[in-house]
Amino acid sequence: DVKVTQSSRYLVKRTGEKVFLECVQDMDHENMFWYRQDPGLGLRLIYFSYDVKMKEKGDIPEGYSVSREKKERFSLILESASTNQTSMYLCASSSGDRIGEQFFGPGTRLTVL
Amino acid sequence: AQSVTQLDSQVPVFEEAPVELRCNYSSSVSVYLFWYVQYPNQGLQLLLKYLSGSTLVESINGFEAEFNKSQTSFHLRKPSVHISDTAEYFCAVSDPSTGANNLFFGTGTRLTVIP
Repeated sequence: DVKVTQSSRYLVKRTGEKVFLECVQDMDHENMFWYRQDPGLGLRLIYFSYDVKMKEKGDIPEGYSVSREKKERFSLILESASTNQTSMYLCASSSGDRIGEQFFGPGTRLTVL
Repeated sequence: AQSVTQLDSQVPVFEEAPVELRCNYSSSVSVYLFWYVQYPNQGLQLLLKYLSGSTLVESINGFEAEFNKSQTSFHLRKPSVHISDTAEYFCAVSDPSTGANNLFFGTGTRLTVIP
């Protein structure tokens, strides 16, 4: 059974802290994505990666960075968390030969106080 | 850039009644279209997709969507809903010319099936 796992289901951090959100997929997928999901705004793409050590900015990259050192792992980093980064963060992966079919993790609900 | 409009943020419907969730996209050029579903406390999963060919596509649990190029729409329908269909539904589009693997999502429609 294919799987995308995220390191935490719920996370509470303080303003200014550095936050790491980890995502691991076991499907040998080339592509990985980080989204944030907010009520009334749907899913917005933060960063994506089509290969190891490769990253591209999505629609809302400000305040975030990413790391992809291994094919199966894609990390989202909040260098200095702010309250407006309180959100649900979703990781997804996909194979290049299955157009548009992304597999999502369960999400991490991050609260920044 | 592509954009997707889901006009209805919430749709309540009685069990066994028909439902239509509306989706319109911005571009008239060739696109790929998708519906994803998010059940309570779960991640999103693909429900159905249109890439080419027949404009009517179906899912395994009775949903169908019709690609209408002239109206730039991809509405999702089911003739008779079940309690288990209660979920949030997201329409998404990708542009083959700029990156078929990247999806642009709508804001979602929360379907609530009432017993």
